[in-house]
Amino acid sequence: EAGVTQSPTHLIKTRGQQATLRCSPISGHTSVYWYQQALGLGLQFLLWYDEGEERNRGNFPPRFSGRQFPNYSSELNVNALELEDSALYLCASSPSSGGIQYFGAGTRLSVL
Amino acid sequence: QKEVEQNSGPLSVPEGAIASLNCTYSDRGSQSFFWYRQYSGKSPELIMSIYSNGDKEDGRFTAQLNKASQYVSLLIRDSQPSDSATYLCAVNSAGGTSYGKLTFGQGTILTVHP
Repeated sequence: EAGVTQSPTHLIKTRGQQATLRCSPISGHTSVYWYQQALGLGLQFLLWYDEGEERNRGNFPPRFSGRQFPNYSSELNVNALELEDSALYLCASSPSSGGIQYFGAGTRLSVL
Repeated sequence: QKEVEQNSGPLSVPEGAIASLNCTYSDRGSQSFFWYRQYSGKSPELIMSIYSNGDKEDGRFTAQLNKASQYVSLLIRDSQPSDSATYLCAVNSAGGTSYGKLTFGQGTILTVHP
């Protein structure tokens, strides 16, 4: 069974650009979560989607947004990129709301 | 006070020893507790989940939960060099603004030396 898949693996952008990150959950999982892991800051919760709806949001500015599609895959959009947005972005999925979260390999975003 | 705190590392133990990792949390409404292992440059991998007070054993790993003390720990018996990684404690609260999200500690770096 395939795990959580994320694309791209690496993404290089310049300040002010937009980045789109994609995530496909484990088959049968309806919840998708996004986390940011910046150097020295640990894993920080960004967004949670379940059944196509945003259920919770972390302490991040509105330029971090996303959506979940009918097939439960999700994308994270980061607008007006700033240098401090450089981080590993991890997607996780769970079979139900609040269930055990399984992580994908992540997308490493570098903002130059 | 941080929401989830882990004992500061790095922690170094010899091969075959017991490694003890500790974590405290501030939200008394927390209901689910997890330990993830993260190798350098890789994503977190679930090791253990625990939901009720007491011990839970899985192979060489034992998770311990004490909700009254707001404390959760992970013991690794017969530590192996392959256990060398960062161990992340994560807590899931039931409701309010914390609903659904995992709150992570900063992680403890464990090194098992031969």
